[in-house]
Amino acid sequence: EDKVVQSPLSLVVHEGDTVTLNCSYEVTNFRSLLWYKQEKKAPTFLFMLTSSGIEKKSGRLSSILDKKELFSILNITATQTGDSAVYLCAVEGGGAQKLVFGQGTRLTINP
Amino acid sequence: DAGVIQSPRHEVTEMGQEVTLRCKPISGHNSLFWYRQTMMRGLELLIYFNNNVPIDDSGMPEDRFSAKMPNASFSTLKIQPSEPRDSAVYFCASRTSGRGGVTYNEQFFGPGTRLTVL
Repeated sequence: EDKVVQSPLSLVVHEGDTVTLNCSYEVTNFRSLLWYKQEKKAPTFLFMLTSSGIEKKSGRLSSILDKKELFSILNITATQTGDSAVYLCAVEGGGAQKLVFGQGTRLTINP
Repeated sequence: DAGVIQSPRHEVTEMGQEVTLRCKPISGHNSLFWYRQTMMRGLELLIYFNNNVPIDDSGMPEDRFSAKMPNASFSTLKIQPSEPRDSAVYFCASRTSGRGGVTYNEQFFGPGTRLTVL
């Protein structure tokens, strides 16, 4: 059965800190790994990763995939209170088009 | 673009009642997904459609749940009869398949329906 595990489950830091969120997975026929940000409403898309070692970057957020070790990290530098959210990692694989989600990391940025 | 539209946004009902959740995907998207999110179980896929055809309903919890997609712009998720353990936020998401058969799996989520079954 496909599985996605995120760590830590919860993280509290001060504004300005840098954080690293982790996502490990077990999936047959891996196709892609996605990161979403969920505040109080629906998940919003951040990144899609398909190849190892290629960093995706958007402002203060960046992500990279390691297909050999089966994990991905999401980095956020110079965190702001607006970065407070649940960050979800999802993987597509198994020859299907569906996503399997991890349980999420709840990130809280204190001023 | 209006994005994925879901209705109602909130639904409170009593145990045993029928509940129907509605979704309008983004125009041009040919895949539609229904998810359920709870604190205990996180975000779980219930069923998804490609070109209006149900492809995988293995996530549907039991026969009380059913989903339809009569056309490319509308889908429903029905629970009959509803039970308190069905209380959750139900999300609909859609995406498009890329050209030449290449699939891009960036799913766009609707705002969700918060269902409370008393």
